[in-house]
Amino acid sequence: GQQLNQSPQSMFIQEGEDVSMNCTSSSIFNTWLWYKQDPGEGPVLLIALYKAGELTSNGRLTAQFGITRKDSFLNISASIPSDVGIYFCAGQLMYSGGGADGLTFGKGTHLIIQP
Amino acid sequence: DSGVTQTPKHLITATGQRVTLRCSPRSGDLSVYWYQQSLDQGLQFLIHYYNGEERAKGNILERFSAQQFPDLHSELNLSSLELGDSALYFCASSPQTGYSYEQYFGPGTRLTVT
Repeated sequence: GQQLNQSPQSMFIQEGEDVSMNCTSSSIFNTWLWYKQDPGEGPVLLIALYKAGELTSNGRLTAQFGITRKDSFLNISASIPSDVGIYFCAGQLMYSGGGADGLTFGKGTHLIIQP
Repeated sequence: DSGVTQTPKHLITATGQRVTLRCSPRSGDLSVYWYQQSLDQGLQFLIHYYNGEERAKGNILERFSAQQFPDLHSELNLSSLELGDSALYFCASSPQTGYSYEQYFGPGTRLTVT
């Protein structure tokens, strides 16, 4: 099946720094989504991207859907302590008759704030 | 709070047993997806139901099954449990209308098989 390569695996940053992470796939997706997961909780949707080349922002978060449909990146500006967590990219395909298939997830990026 | 509810929060059972996990989607969402999260496999899609009908299967074992009821809540049944089935199980719901295909995850059920 499809696999997503998400990098980096972990990031150690100082509060206030900008963060960048990305995801690449061997095949195309119709939709890219970014989630954040805190320990013991479910993933929380941050941004959904539906069109190749689309650039979308949500507060300090910005994500882009690559023009090849095989990649996406997420940037976080001016990081704050509550940004700590695991960030997942996910790709989604649409069924030929309408509707969306289950998500294919990357392995996650652990964001850690250095004291 | 995503609006998706899952019960129970935690479940501890023995090998060979059968358990049922329950999910209530967000109000108005017709689609329910089930996922398994483990340390070695990450987040993996198991199965998708739309308005009571199975739409797609992912990496779901034959020992696992699911259904979606007329009130749109869903249950995931896990049988002949093995130690390796210990994981977090999430359901996600989605409106599946127009361009709204985002999936919203519940808080999960942590299954421990001993």
